Amino acid sequence: QLQLQESGSRLVRPSQTLSLTCGVSGGSFNNPDYSWSWIRQPPGKGLEWIGQIYYGGSTHYNPSLELRVTISIDTSKRQFSLKLSSVTAADTAVYYCARAVDTAMAYYFDYWAQGTLVTVSS
Amino acid sequence: IVLTQSPGTLSLSPGETATLSCRASQSVTSNYLAWYQQKPGQAPRLLIYGASSRATDIPDRFSGSGSGTDFTLTISELEPEDFAVYYCQQYDNPLPYTFGQGTKLEIK
Repeated sequence: QLQLQESGSRLVRPSQTLSLTCGVSGGSFNNPDYSWSWIRQPPGKGLEWIGQIYYGGSTHYNPSLELRVTISIDTSKRQFSLKLSSVTAADTAVYYCARAVDTAMAYYFDYWAQGTLVTVSS
Repeated sequence: IVLTQSPGTLSLSPGETATLSCRASQSVTSNYLAWYQQKPGQAPRLLIYGASSRATDIPDRFSGSGSGTDFTLTISELEPEDFAVYYCQQYDNPLPYTFGQGTKLEIK
């Protein structure tokens, strides 16, 4: 059974960089049928797709965040990471990592981590 | 693509049937539409993909339908564990993937 687990800083100062890592256990990691995504949810609000990294290492980001986001992958460690720079209070949210299933280069999310609340505050 | 879900809140009793709507601002190619269930303090759970295909281990009381811009999630014979928030998501191109704002299904 595939499992995902986030780790990283849960409190980030304004203007600093948010960093999270998602470790993947069980199942297939380096597989062209899947990509790896980050999604966030501000408290009491809906879901926002941040971006994802594909088999082979290419990435796509939400245009609303593109200038501040970097997603990377370490296949040997079975993990992928999110960096979000110049954070503000608006970036306070539960951050989820998830597996994205490829259906002709269109992706839905079948496995999700439990989520990590990251608070941006001084 | 903007997804608009209705109603915002749906109040029903166990045993009843829930009908949740998701309307897209433009046509969703190839029915690239998924539904998720989220309970308080938990991650979303995939229910439906491709507008009508149930995900693994999802009971058959959950069904999805629709095409183009109008999609529906139907939950028959509501069980107590079905009361949650439901989100639709489109995964058409061009990016970004987007979610609806959610429908809260509450016990009447």
